[in-house]
Amino acid sequence: AQKVTQAQTEISVVEKEDVTLDCVYETRDTTYYLFWYKQPPSGELVFLIRRNSFDEQNEISGRYSWNFQKSTSSFNFTITASQVVDSAVYFCALSHYGQNFVFGPGTRLSVLP
Amino acid sequence: NAGVMQNPRHLVRRRGQEARLRCSPMKGHSHVYWYRQLPEEGLKFMVYLQKENIIDESGMPKERFSAEFPKEGPSILRIQQVVRGDSAAYFCASSSTTGRSLSGANVLTFGAGSRLTVL
Repeated sequence: AQKVTQAQTEISVVEKEDVTLDCVYETRDTTYYLFWYKQPPSGELVFLIRRNSFDEQNEISGRYSWNFQKSTSSFNFTITASQVVDSAVYFCALSHYGQNFVFGPGTRLSVLP
Repeated sequence: NAGVMQNPRHLVRRRGQEARLRCSPMKGHSHVYWYRQLPEEGLKFMVYLQKENIIDESGMPKERFSAEFPKEGPSILRIQQVVRGDSAAYFCASSSTTGRSLSGANVLTFGAGSRLTVL
C-alpha cells in the first residue's frame, strides 16, 4: 500500500525565514512519482513539482528547493526567504505510473509579516 | 485554453436530496480523477475515470455515490440522499495519459473545487 506522511500539521514562520516542509512516503513500487501541490486560501490546488524515483537530483526553482532522499523515503520542500504569499496548505503526493495519486494530509504554512 | 472547469462552485442541499457535481477536463485530457477534501483534512481519492470507463473506484463509498465520464460531456459525480457528513470540497483533476513511462509521468491539473454543504 502507498502512504504519504506529512508530520507537520501547521508551521508558522516570520517573513524572510527559511522553512522546510517534510514529506515521508511508503511504497513497494520501484518506479513512482512524487509531487508537491500548493493550496492557497482561495482553495485551488497548484502544481509545484514532479520527481520520478530514478532522479534523485535536488531541484531549485527560485526560492523553492526540493530534497529527494530515496534512502530515507523523503521528499522535503524548502522555501527560502519566505513571504506572506507563501501562506497556504502544501500537499505532498505519491503516484505509481501516474495513477491513483495518494496525498499526504498537508502542512498548513503561515508566514507572518 | 481553459483549465479544469468544475461547477457548481458552491452547492447547498438538504438532507436526502441529490447532489450532482460536474467536471470538464482540460482540452486534450481524457483522464479524470475525483477527490474529496473534508474540512481541515487532506485529499482523499475517490475515483479515476477515462471516457466511458471507470478505471479505479476504490475510494468511492459503496452506497449513494456514483461517477461517470460519458463519451460526450463532462464527468459527473452524483451523490444521492445526501447526509451532513457529505459536506466537503470535491475536487476534480484531469491528466492527458496514464503515464506508463518515465517520461510520461502525469501531472494532475485540478479544478477549483465544488463545495457541497448539506443542511
